[in-house]
Amino acid sequence: KNQVEQSPQSLIILEGKNCTLQCNYTVSPFSNLRWYKQDTGRGPVSLTIMTFSENTKSNGRYTATLDADTKQSSLHITASQLSDSASYICVVGSYGQNFVFGPGTRLSVLP
Amino acid sequence: NAGVTQTPKFQVLKTGQSMTLQCAQDMNHNSMYWYRQDPGMGLRLIYYSASEGTTDKGEVPNGYNVSRLNKREFSLRLESAAPSQTSVYFCASSATGKGNQPQHFGDGTRLSIL
Repeated sequence: KNQVEQSPQSLIILEGKNCTLQCNYTVSPFSNLRWYKQDTGRGPVSLTIMTFSENTKSNGRYTATLDADTKQSSLHITASQLSDSASYICVVGSYGQNFVFGPGTRLSVLP
Repeated sequence: NAGVTQTPKFQVLKTGQSMTLQCAQDMNHNSMYWYRQDPGMGLRLIYYSASEGTTDKGEVPNGYNVSRLNKREFSLRLESAAPSQTSVYFCASSATGKGNQPQHFGDGTRLSIL
């Protein structure tokens, strides 16, 4: 069964600290892996997209990694800010228009 | 800089009522999607439209119908609402739907069925 799991379910960190969110998937065939940020009450916003041949991609303070062999990805946030408080969603694209969404990790950044 | 616009933002219906959720994008995208988001679960695809004039079922299409009115607009209709359809509905669009194209999401319609 195509599935995307994320850990932890929720995370609380202090402003200025770094954190890493994890994503494991069993989606096949694999086309691409995406990370989205979803603020409360808003729609998801794309952070990074990686295809099979890419193993890292950055977007400002966000860096995503992909290990296609172990089917794992991580999102690293550097020097967190209060505005980073949001849900982070891992999405794996398969054939055609098939995208499998993870349940998200809820990040809270405290002052 | 509107992007993807969804209306209404909130709606309460009684069981058995019908309604249409509207979605419009101003980015000249070919592909459009309807998802639902339920607590503790990932977004699930209801229907999508790869291009104007085409629609296809997603993972959870039962109880819904869609219309790709033109390139800009993609509507979702609940013919006879049920409490199980209480959810947050998101519309999204992408340029081509291919691997390296991001999806752009609206801010959702929060729908409660009593």
